[in-house]
Amino acid sequence: NAGVTQTPKFQVLKTGQSMTLQCAQDMNHNSMYWYRQDPGMGLRLIYYSASEGTTDKGEVPNGYNVSRLNKREFSLRLESAAPSQTSVYFCASSGDTVYGYTFGSGTRLTVV
Amino acid sequence: EDQVTQSPEALRLQEGESSSLNCSYTVSGLRGLFWYRQDPGKGPEFLFTLYSAGEEKEKERLKATLTKKESFLHITAPKPEDSATYLCAVQAGYKLSFGAGTTVTVRA
Repeated sequence: NAGVTQTPKFQVLKTGQSMTLQCAQDMNHNSMYWYRQDPGMGLRLIYYSASEGTTDKGEVPNGYNVSRLNKREFSLRLESAAPSQTSVYFCASSGDTVYGYTFGSGTRLTVV
Repeated sequence: EDQVTQSPEALRLQEGESSSLNCSYTVSGLRGLFWYRQDPGKGPEFLFTLYSAGEEKEKERLKATLTKKESFLHITAPKPEDSATYLCAVQAGYKLSFGAGTTVTVRA
Protein backbone atom coordinates (compact mmCIF):
# COMPACT_ATOMS: atom_id res chain seq x y z
CA ASN A 1 0.00 0.00 0.00
CA ALA A 2 1.20 3.50 -0.85
CA GLY A 3 2.09 5.68 2.06
CA VAL A 4 4.69 6.57 4.68
CA THR A 5 6.63 3.79 6.39
CA GLN A 6 8.43 4.33 9.69
CA THR A 7 10.83 2.01 11.47
CA PRO A 8 11.08 0.91 14.19
CA LYS A 9 7.59 0.99 15.74
CA PHE A 10 8.87 0.77 19.30
CA GLN A 11 12.25 1.48 20.88
CA VAL A 12 13.68 1.71 24.39
CA LEU A 13 16.98 3.54 24.83
CA LYS A 14 19.20 4.24 27.77
CA THR A 15 20.18 7.83 28.45
CA GLY A 16 23.14 8.78 26.27
CA GLN A 17 22.56 6.15 23.61
CA SER A 18 22.09 7.14 19.98
CA MET A 19 19.68 5.92 17.34
CA THR A 20 18.21 6.76 13.95
CA LEU A 21 14.53 6.71 13.10
CA GLN A 22 13.88 5.82 9.48
CA CYS A 23 11.11 7.14 7.25
CA ALA A 24 10.32 6.39 3.60
CA GLN A 25 7.46 7.48 1.35
CA ASP A 26 6.45 6.08 -2.02
CA MET A 27 4.10 8.86 -3.19
CA ASN A 28 6.76 10.96 -4.96
CA HIS A 29 6.17 13.80 -2.50
CA ASN A 30 8.68 16.65 -2.40
CA SER A 31 8.27 17.64 1.25
CA MET A 32 8.86 15.54 4.36
CA TYR A 33 8.53 16.29 8.07
CA TRP A 34 9.33 14.95 11.51
CA TYR A 35 6.95 15.66 14.40
CA ARG A 36 6.85 14.56 18.01
CA GLN A 37 3.59 14.10 19.90
CA ASP A 38 3.34 14.46 23.66
CA PRO A 39 0.18 14.30 25.81
CA GLY A 40 -1.61 17.64 25.99
CA MET A 41 0.88 19.36 23.67
CA GLY A 42 -0.19 18.23 20.25
CA LEU A 43 2.18 17.60 17.38
CA ARG A 44 5.31 19.73 17.33
CA LEU A 45 7.55 20.08 14.30
CA ILE A 46 11.15 18.98 14.81
CA TYR A 47 12.64 19.33 11.31
CA TYR A 48 11.35 19.47 7.79
CA SER A 49 12.64 19.11 4.26
CA ALA A 50 10.83 21.16 1.65
CA SER A 51 12.60 19.37 -1.18
CA GLU A 52 15.41 16.90 -1.77
CA GLY A 53 18.70 18.37 -0.62
CA THR A 54 17.25 20.89 1.84
CA THR A 55 16.45 20.67 5.55
CA ASP A 56 15.24 23.28 8.05
CA LYS A 57 14.64 23.49 11.77
CA GLY A 58 11.14 23.40 13.14
CA GLU A 59 9.79 24.32 16.55
CA VAL A 60 11.79 21.86 18.70
CA PRO A 61 15.05 20.88 16.89
CA ASN A 62 17.45 20.72 19.86
CA GLY A 63 18.95 17.27 20.38
CA TYR A 64 18.06 16.04 16.89
CA ASN A 65 19.63 15.88 13.45
CA VAL A 66 18.11 14.90 10.12
CA SER A 67 19.21 13.64 6.74
CA ARG A 68 17.23 13.79 3.51
CA LEU A 69 18.91 10.81 1.91
CA ASN A 70 16.97 11.05 -1.36
CA LYS A 71 13.48 12.04 -2.43
CA ARG A 72 11.95 8.99 -0.68
CA GLU A 73 13.82 8.88 2.61
CA PHE A 74 14.12 11.27 5.56
CA SER A 75 15.82 10.06 8.75
CA LEU A 76 15.88 11.52 12.26
CA ARG A 77 18.89 10.95 14.52
CA LEU A 78 19.19 11.28 18.27
CA GLU A 79 22.90 11.58 19.06
CA SER A 80 22.66 11.32 22.85
CA ALA A 81 19.17 10.41 24.00
CA ALA A 82 17.65 12.11 27.05
CA PRO A 83 14.50 11.20 29.04
CA SER A 84 12.88 14.42 27.72
CA GLN A 85 12.95 12.83 24.27
CA THR A 86 10.52 10.13 25.35
CA SER A 87 7.67 10.65 22.91
CA VAL A 88 5.84 9.34 19.88
CA TYR A 89 7.54 10.40 16.66
CA PHE A 90 5.68 10.81 13.40
CA CYS A 91 7.06 11.24 9.92
CA ALA A 92 4.88 12.87 7.27
CA SER A 93 5.10 13.82 3.61
CA SER A 94 3.20 16.19 1.35
CA GLY A 95 2.91 16.90 -2.33
CA ASP A 96 -0.27 18.78 -3.06
CA THR A 97 -1.44 20.74 -0.02
CA VAL A 98 -5.07 20.17 -0.98
CA TYR A 99 -4.72 16.74 0.60
CA GLY A 100 -2.62 17.84 3.55
CA TYR A 101 0.06 15.61 4.92
CA THR A 102 0.23 11.82 4.87
CA PHE A 103 1.49 10.48 8.18
CA GLY A 104 3.27 7.29 9.09
CA SER A 105 2.07 5.11 11.95
CA GLY A 106 4.64 6.46 14.39
CA THR A 107 7.60 5.32 16.51
CA ARG A 108 7.04 5.09 20.26
CA LEU A 109 10.38 5.93 21.90
CA THR A 110 11.13 5.57 25.60
CA VAL A 111 14.39 6.86 27.06
CA VAL A 112 15.22 5.52 30.51
CA GLU B 1 4.09 32.76 16.00
CA ASP B 2 1.25 30.60 14.74
CA GLN B 3 -1.14 29.46 17.45
CA VAL B 4 -3.92 26.89 17.35
CA THR B 5 -6.25 26.27 20.29
CA GLN B 6 -8.83 23.49 20.33
CA SER B 7 -11.77 23.14 22.69
CA PRO B 8 -13.00 21.24 24.51
CA GLU B 9 -10.11 18.90 25.36
CA ALA B 10 -12.52 15.98 25.68
CA LEU B 11 -16.12 15.38 24.66
CA ARG B 12 -18.33 12.49 25.68
CA LEU B 13 -21.45 11.99 23.58
CA GLN B 14 -24.34 9.60 23.49
CA GLU B 15 -24.89 7.94 20.13
CA GLY B 16 -27.03 10.28 18.04
CA GLU B 17 -26.21 13.36 20.15
CA SER B 18 -24.85 16.01 17.76
CA SER B 19 -22.14 18.44 18.87
CA SER B 20 -19.37 20.76 17.66
CA LEU B 21 -15.63 21.05 18.18
CA ASN B 22 -13.89 24.42 18.06
CA CYS B 23 -10.52 25.41 16.63
CA SER B 24 -9.39 29.02 17.07
CA TYR B 25 -6.22 30.20 15.37
CA THR B 26 -3.81 33.07 14.78
CA VAL B 27 -1.52 32.81 11.80
CA SER B 28 0.23 35.13 9.36
CA GLY B 29 -0.70 34.28 5.81
CA LEU B 30 -3.08 31.35 6.19
CA ARG B 31 -2.62 28.93 3.30
CA GLY B 32 -5.09 26.40 4.63
CA LEU B 33 -6.78 24.96 7.71
CA PHE B 34 -6.78 21.20 8.06
CA TRP B 35 -8.77 18.71 10.11
CA TYR B 36 -7.38 15.27 10.91
CA ARG B 37 -8.69 12.24 12.75
CA GLN B 38 -6.34 10.19 14.93
CA ASP B 39 -7.14 6.76 16.35
CA PRO B 40 -5.15 5.37 19.31
CA GLY B 41 -1.73 4.08 18.27
CA LYS B 42 -2.02 5.42 14.73
CA GLY B 43 -0.95 8.46 12.76
CA PRO B 44 -3.32 11.31 11.94
CA GLU B 45 -5.61 10.73 8.97
CA PHE B 46 -6.58 13.63 6.69
CA LEU B 47 -10.24 14.73 6.74
CA PHE B 48 -10.64 18.23 5.25
CA THR B 49 -8.85 21.30 3.96
CA LEU B 50 -10.50 24.73 4.18
CA TYR B 51 -8.98 27.76 2.48
CA SER B 52 -11.22 30.79 2.96
CA ALA B 53 -13.82 32.19 5.35
CA GLY B 54 -17.28 30.89 4.60
CA GLU B 55 -16.05 27.64 3.12
CA GLU B 56 -17.68 24.37 4.24
CA LYS B 57 -16.75 20.72 3.63
CA GLU B 58 -18.72 17.57 4.48
CA LYS B 59 -17.91 13.90 4.82
CA GLU B 60 -20.50 11.47 6.14
CA ARG B 61 -21.48 12.75 9.62
CA LEU B 62 -18.75 15.40 9.74
CA LYS B 63 -18.99 18.99 8.54
CA ALA B 64 -16.19 21.55 8.80
CA THR B 65 -16.68 25.31 8.57
CA LEU B 66 -14.24 28.22 8.57
CA THR B 67 -14.35 31.87 9.67
CA LYS B 68 -11.49 34.37 9.81
CA LYS B 69 -10.59 33.39 13.36
CA GLU B 70 -11.92 29.88 13.94
CA SER B 71 -13.13 26.64 12.50
CA PHE B 72 -15.80 24.26 13.70
CA LEU B 73 -16.13 20.54 13.18
CA HIS B 74 -19.76 19.53 13.53
CA ILE B 75 -20.55 15.89 14.25
CA THR B 76 -24.15 15.04 13.36
CA ALA B 77 -25.83 11.99 14.93
CA PRO B 78 -22.47 10.42 15.89
CA LYS B 79 -21.88 6.68 16.08
CA PRO B 80 -19.39 4.82 18.30
CA GLU B 81 -17.01 4.49 15.33
CA ASP B 82 -16.66 8.30 15.32
CA SER B 83 -14.75 8.02 18.61
CA ALA B 84 -11.25 9.42 18.00
CA THR B 85 -9.07 12.44 18.61
CA TYR B 86 -9.72 15.24 16.13
CA LEU B 87 -6.81 17.52 15.31
CA CYS B 88 -6.91 20.96 13.75
CA ALA B 89 -3.87 22.46 11.99
CA VAL B 90 -3.05 25.66 10.15
CA GLN B 91 -0.56 26.03 7.34
CA ALA B 92 1.72 29.00 6.76
CA GLY B 93 4.48 28.37 4.28
CA TYR B 94 5.46 24.71 4.21
CA LYS B 95 4.66 23.96 7.82
CA LEU B 96 1.57 22.78 9.64
CA SER B 97 1.02 23.95 13.22
CA PHE B 98 -1.29 21.69 15.20
CA GLY B 99 -3.65 22.15 18.10
CA ALA B 100 -3.61 19.69 21.01
CA GLY B 101 -6.77 17.99 19.78
CA THR B 102 -10.24 17.10 21.06
CA THR B 103 -10.82 13.52 22.14
CA VAL B 104 -14.36 12.44 21.29
CA THR B 105 -15.96 9.39 22.90
CA VAL B 106 -19.34 8.23 21.59
CA ARG B 107 -21.26 5.78 23.76
CA ALA B 108 -23.78 3.35 22.30
